[in-house]
Amino acid sequence: DVKVTQSSRYLVKRTGEKVFLECVQDMDHENMFWYRQDPGLGLRLIYFSYDVKMKEKGDIPEGYSVSREKKERFSLILESASTNQTSMYLCASSPGTVGLKAFFGQGTRLTVV
Amino acid sequence: QQQVKQSPQSLIVQKGGIPIINCAYENTAFDYFPWYQQFPGKGPALLIAIRPDVSEKKEGRFTISFNKSAKQFSLHIMDSQPGDSATYFCAAHGSGNTGKLIFGQGTTLQVKP
Repeated sequence: DVKVTQSSRYLVKRTGEKVFLECVQDMDHENMFWYRQDPGLGLRLIYFSYDVKMKEKGDIPEGYSVSREKKERFSLILESASTNQTSMYLCASSPGTVGLKAFFGQGTRLTVV
Repeated sequence: QQQVKQSPQSLIVQKGGIPIINCAYENTAFDYFPWYQQFPGKGPALLIAIRPDVSEKKEGRFTISFNKSAKQFSLHIMDSQPGDSATYFCAAHGSGNTGKLIFGQGTTLQVKP
C-alpha cells in the first residue's frame, strides 16, 4: 500500500515563527500536493509539485512556500506563521499517469497562538 | 472562486436510507471526477471515481450519477450503514497529468442506527 507520512499530527507554534511541515511518500509518485482543510471550505490547494524542484501555486499560496529537493519529500513552509493559518494541513501524492488516484497523509493539525 | 460546489453541508439519515450528495462544476475541461471519504483523524481516501464519457458508475453500495450537460454529478449510498458516517468530498481534475484536484466543500454524513 502507498504510504504518505506527515511528520507531525499536532503542532502548536507562535505567531511569527517559521514553521516546516514535512511529507514523505514511498511509492515514487511524481506529483505531490499540500492542501489545507477548513470546515465549510473543503480542501483548498496551497501548492503542488509535479517533479523534483518543480512547483506551482495552487489556489491559496499566500504566506506559504514549498520545497521539493528529493522526489519522495515535499515540505510546506510558513514563512511567518499567523493565527489565520491555524488549520488542518494535508499532504497527498499521485502518480503522473492517467488514473490520478491521490493518496493522503493523516494530516497535521497546526495551531498558531 | 469555488469551481466545484457541493451540497448539502451536512446530512443525517437512518440506517438503510439512501443519502445523496450533489456537486456542480463550472469548467468543461475537467476530465475526472472522484469522490473521497474521510473518517475522523484520517486523511481522505478515494472511494469511487468517474470520467465524463459515462453517466453512471457503481461500486458496491456506492453509485456516481453524472450529468455532463448540466455539469453536475452526485454520490448515492445504497442501504447506508452507521459505518458510512464520514465526511465526503467530491473533486474534479483538469486536463493534463499534473493530478491537480479541485475539491468541493465537503458533506458530513451521519447514519443513525
